[in-house]
Amino acid sequence: AQSVTQLDSQVPVFEEAPVELRCNYSSSVSVYLFWYVQYPNQGLQLLLKYLSGSTLVKGINGFEAEFNKSQTSFHLRKPSVHISDTAEYFCAVTRKGGATNKLIFGTGTLLAVQP
Amino acid sequence: ETGVTQTPRHLVMGMTNKKSLKCEQHLGHNAMYWYKQSAKKPLELMFVYSLEERVENNSVPSRFSPECPNSSHLFLHLHTLQPEDSALYLCASSQAPGLAGTDTQYFGPGTRLTVL
Repeated sequence: AQSVTQLDSQVPVFEEAPVELRCNYSSSVSVYLFWYVQYPNQGLQLLLKYLSGSTLVKGINGFEAEFNKSQTSFHLRKPSVHISDTAEYFCAVTRKGGATNKLIFGTGTLLAVQP
Repeated sequence: ETGVTQTPRHLVMGMTNKKSLKCEQHLGHNAMYWYKQSAKKPLELMFVYSLEERVENNSVPSRFSPECPNSSHLFLHLHTLQPEDSALYLCASSQAPGLAGTDTQYFGPGTRLTVL
């Protein structure tokens, strides 16, 4: 079975500062990794995903994440945040070759950008 | 309409009521999903449909009954719910009928359900 841990439930940061949201996963098999964002009163939107190849993945809105297999991590980063980045961020994994495309989510991290 | 739409956006119901949630995807996808999002808990996958056939039932109580009449529509029929069923119910869709794990899931805005 797979599991995802997002240790930080909330991350406050000032506008234009850099931010890192942490994600660690546990799995006995190979996985694909995803970051989704949820803005208030909206559904989830894909930020980026790691399937294979380069371990540094670039996504929308200036976000990027790095897959570290040895540390089983997939941390999300942005060099300079904006007020509009305030949202909840979810890390997720799915088993490679799984039968049902089942996403396992973490509990989410609320990014609160302050002016 | 584009993307994935859900109706109603908000629903309040008593424990003896029967109601249905509706999801429609306008993306030409072949797989659809129901998720439950409760406060402080990870999103929980409830059901998966691929080409209108149910391929996953994630130990969901029988008071939740899904229906997928075609590849564009997904319903969640609710009856005799409990207060702990109050949550945001999210619908999603993805392209591939083979469910290879690489496909992006596209989410609707959700239905906020309150059970009194």
